[in-house]
Amino acid sequence: KNQVEQSPQSLIILEGKNCTLQCNYTVSPFSNLRWYKQDTGRGPVSLTIMTFSENTKSNGRYTATLDADTKQSSLHITASQLSDSASYICVVSAGNRDDKIIFGKGTRLHILP
Amino acid sequence: NAGVTQTPKFQVLKTGQSMTLQCAQDMNHEYMSWYRQDPGMGLRLIHYSVGAGITDQGEVPNGYNVSRSTTEDFPLRLLSAAPSQTSVYFCASSTTGPRTGELFFGEGSRLTVL
Repeated sequence: KNQVEQSPQSLIILEGKNCTLQCNYTVSPFSNLRWYKQDTGRGPVSLTIMTFSENTKSNGRYTATLDADTKQSSLHITASQLSDSASYICVVSAGNRDDKIIFGKGTRLHILP
Repeated sequence: NAGVTQTPKFQVLKTGQSMTLQCAQDMNHEYMSWYRQDPGMGLRLIHYSVGAGITDQGEVPNGYNVSRSTTEDFPLRLLSAAPSQTSVYFCASSTTGPRTGELFFGEGSRLTVL
């Protein structure tokens, strides 16, 4: 069964600190993996996309990594800011069908001043 | 630049009532879709469309209808609302489909069914 598991469920850190969010997937065949940021009361917004051949992708203070062999991805946030408080959702696309994208449940990140 | 616009933002229904959630995009995207987001669960696909006149079912289509008469609009109809349909609904669009293209989401419509 295609699944995307994220950890931790929630995380609290102090402003300025770094953090890493994890995503493990069992989706097959793998097409690509995206990280989305969802602010409270808003729709998700894409941060990064990674295909099978890519192992690192950066977007400002956000750096995503992908290990296709172990089927793991991480999202590292550097020098966190209050505006980083949000849910981060890992999304994996399977095969060649547009309806076969699997959303993780998300990690809720709280940044404290 | 509006992007994806959903209306209404909030709605309360009684069991058995029907309603339509509106979704419009101004990016000329061929692909449009509806998701529902429930606590403790990932977003789940309800219906999607790869172009005007073409719709298909997603993971949780029961109780919902869609149509795509224009490229811009993709309304979601609840035929006879049930408490299990209490959720936040997101409309999303993409140039080529979510597998290869970025999904652009609306702000969401929060529906409560009593």
